[in-house]
Amino acid sequence: GENVEQHPSTLSVQEGDSAVIKCTYSDSASNYFPWYKQELGKRPQLIIDIRSNVGEKKDQRIAVTLNKTAKHFSLHITETQPEDSAVYFCAASRIGSGTYKYIFGTGTRLKVLA
Amino acid sequence: DGGITQSPKYLFRKEGQNVTLSCEQNLNHDAMYWYRQDPGQGLRLIYYSQIVNDFQKGDIAEGYSVSREKKESFPLTVTSAQKNPTAFYLCASKSGTNQPQHFGDGTRLSIL
Repeated sequence: GENVEQHPSTLSVQEGDSAVIKCTYSDSASNYFPWYKQELGKRPQLIIDIRSNVGEKKDQRIAVTLNKTAKHFSLHITETQPEDSAVYFCAASRIGSGTYKYIFGTGTRLKVLA
Repeated sequence: DGGITQSPKYLFRKEGQNVTLSCEQNLNHDAMYWYRQDPGQGLRLIYYSQIVNDFQKGDIAEGYSVSREKKESFPLTVTSAQKNPTAFYLCASKSGTNQPQHFGDGTRLSIL
């Protein structure tokens, strides 16, 4: 079946360093890839997304890259801050086809050490 | 995300009891979803609905039931057949095929 693998499961970085989280998807028809940030006990919140017609998207300190050939995409956080500490989830979906399901990765717990 | 309201925030279930989790949205979104999240794990899809009066099973639908009688409401019932219901339940909605899902604040269900 369809699945999304996410690595690493935990990641610790020093404040100011960069963090990279990687996801690989199995459904070659996936064309939409959102990233969510979830703080402890709270709702997941969308932080950035990318569609398959672009290879990279940036929003201030965060960026996402997509390699359709290899079927993987990555989240990059630069100049990390303590408030970046959270669990991050990637997801893959098809848009425009009437299928609304997201396939989520298992999450990465990011700890930014002050 | 203030337009998606889940209630209650905490819920306790006795053995053999059915409980219903509420999810209401005032965003006029067509699609709604229910996910289960266990500690340290990802989001697993229970049920989803693309339009009123229609819904589909997700990956872990056994022991759960839903209804979609109104566009703004998608309640989830955790039945006594669900033997391990303790988890954090998240409701989400989206407005169209090209829009992202947005989540409610969740309901934490525990067994008494």
